[in-house]
Amino acid sequence: EEQLVESGGGLVKPGGSLRLSCTASGFSFSTFSMNWVRQAPGKGLEWVSSISSSSNHIYYSDSVKGRFTIARDNAKNSLYLQMSSLRADDTAVYYCARNSLGHRSSWYFFDSWGQGSLVTVSS
Amino acid sequence: QSALTQPASVSGSPGQSITISCTGTSNDIGAYYYVSWYRQDPGKAPKLMIFDVSDRPSGVSDRFSGSKSGNTASLTISGLQADDEADYYCFSYTSSATYVFGTGTRVAVL
Repeated sequence: EEQLVESGGGLVKPGGSLRLSCTASGFSFSTFSMNWVRQAPGKGLEWVSSISSSSNHIYYSDSVKGRFTIARDNAKNSLYLQMSSLRADDTAVYYCARNSLGHRSSWYFFDSWGQGSLVTVSS
Repeated sequence: QSALTQPASVSGSPGQSITISCTGTSNDIGAYYYVSWYRQDPGKAPKLMIFDVSDRPSGVSDRFSGSKSGNTASLTISGLQADDEADYYCFSYTSSATYVFGTGTRVAVL
């Protein structure tokens, strides 16, 4: 069974740092581009960052650029999000999501999601 | 990177059809046929319903259909059922090689 499992969420003070992890299983992780998407409590979905299969293409939303760093370790089937200079408005459930592989379709949608990890930024 | 614009809520009676609009710009929806739609139930991860404007993943009912005209995409749910109640989000690739979600629409079955 294909699965994405996030971990590393928790309570952090404003200005602090936190690293989220997403562990993949049941599919060839190294083949897929990956993403982080977040959802603040009671709010909509927001794309945060994406990374290509070999890490040579990385993109961020304007809201996290310069503060968050996406990375992956294909040997460990893992995706990461290093978050620093955290603010209250970074409080959200963070999902990792997989891009389509593009078989009979484009690559530009997410066909598998984790269950999410809650990050709370509060003093 | 402004969110795509969706109505906050759409409602219909069982059996009716409803359409959710999603308005973007010439840099996202208008630029590509890379619009997808996701359903999200409370406390759950989003689920893919439509990709590449109008294609359905296997397992998604053919009551769900998508289209696009200019900078606006649409999701139509035909034969509305109580189980269709959820939040629905549109999503598009952008000319900056980033992505953008819609503001989300709550579907209610009366």
